[in-house]
Amino acid sequence: SQTIHQWPATLVQPVGSPLSLECTVEGTSNPNLYWYRQAAGRGLQLLFYSVGIGQISSEVPQNLSASRPQDRQFILSSKKLLLSDSGFYLCAWSVSWNEQFFGPGTRLTVL
Amino acid sequence: QKEVEQDPGPLSVPEGAIVSLNCTYSNSAFQYFMWYRQYSRKGPELLMYTYSSGNKEDGRFTAQVDKSSKYISLFIRDSQPSDSATYLCAMSAGHSGAGSYQLTFGKGTKLSVIP
Repeated sequence: SQTIHQWPATLVQPVGSPLSLECTVEGTSNPNLYWYRQAAGRGLQLLFYSVGIGQISSEVPQNLSASRPQDRQFILSSKKLLLSDSGFYLCAWSVSWNEQFFGPGTRLTVL
Repeated sequence: QKEVEQDPGPLSVPEGAIVSLNCTYSNSAFQYFMWYRQYSRKGPELLMYTYSSGNKEDGRFTAQVDKSSKYISLFIRDSQPSDSATYLCAMSAGHSGAGSYQLTFGKGTKLSVIP
């Protein structure tokens, strides 16, 4: 069966510090991978998606970036965090049009 | 007009009640419809999905799609305290030109089932 991991689970970082969130998927090959941010009252915001190694599409221009160094690994990064980057970050995977499966999420607080 | 509208609630019901959760949408290209359940501080989990118009039942849950009205619903029968969560609707037009499968989400309805 497929599983998706995200770490860390929670993170508190100062403004201006770097960020690296990691997501890995097990039990499937060549999945589509997604990064979402969920802020209170704003729903799920798609940040990046990837259809293959090294292929990244950005949905929202911002100070975040994503990389996919391996088939089942997706990384979300920032060189300098802003207060507005606080939120709940979710990684998801899919292989079909009808379902995306989400990870447990990382709660990021920028102080 | 937003692509997907969902009443944020909160919705509070007594245990055993029938719950109706709804979303409306504006994009007539949507043809795949999903409901996710999200417990506090957890990732969303897929609860139901349907294709095109009609009903789909799974235990106490029934998903209903009316494409002519651009309206989808999730019904929960005999609601339980464990059903207390935020419910998000999501929809997709299917395969995109980029080869990825993108979903458009509602903002979620927070449900509390009171014992």
